[in-house]
Amino acid sequence: DTGVSQNPRHKITKRGQNVTFRCDPISEHNRLYWYRQTLGQGPEFLTYFQNEAQLEKSRLLSDRFSAERPKGSFSTLEIQRTEQGDSAMYLCASSLVTGGSNTGELFFGEGSRLTVL
Amino acid sequence: KNQVEQSPQSLIILEGKNCTLQCNYTVSPFSNLRWYKQDTGRGPVSLTIMTFSENTKSNGRYTATLDADTKQSSLHITASQLSDSASYICVVSEGGYNKLIFGAGTRLAVHP
Repeated sequence: DTGVSQNPRHKITKRGQNVTFRCDPISEHNRLYWYRQTLGQGPEFLTYFQNEAQLEKSRLLSDRFSAERPKGSFSTLEIQRTEQGDSAMYLCASSLVTGGSNTGELFFGEGSRLTVL
Repeated sequence: KNQVEQSPQSLIILEGKNCTLQCNYTVSPFSNLRWYKQDTGRGPVSLTIMTFSENTKSNGRYTATLDADTKQSSLHITASQLSDSASYICVVSEGGYNKLIFGAGTRLAVHP
């Protein structure tokens, strides 16, 4: 396994269009996180999954955003009716959590950069 | 409010010099503190993870310290290299809530 994989790496779209990003985590990892990062800032939490269950969503995740992890493996993040303010790097991370409330060591993908014109 | 503050915001040093980056946090309860290195346009890569009981941890030329009493951490880079040019992000795990609080990062530029 070569790590967390994200596709596409870059996406340019017009305002109002829908976009979908895919994340393939490290195969044995049960936790999967989505973050958004704008220039000069640290990543901001969007949502996370434990296996296929979506356990938490940030207030940043408006109703135009939806994330799925249908089989507990890969995940998709869809943004509908994109706005210029959605332009950012979307990062996926995965971890293996074996008990308790520890988040485990996060391994990040290279990110998907979205530009909304 | 749980926050992670990093300083300086940016830093320029000459190759071969040492530098120290600071992280102050107000996260409570505390679980662990992590330092990540993020190259431009890439995802963050973990450097160190420290729990409450650890005061220092090294990873090659990177040494992180943690003072849980004052809620401060530092990342010391020894004998800097051009490849150290990156953003360094401090992340604190909020105990019991599975939540990571990210700092805004320090942008380090190492010049020849």
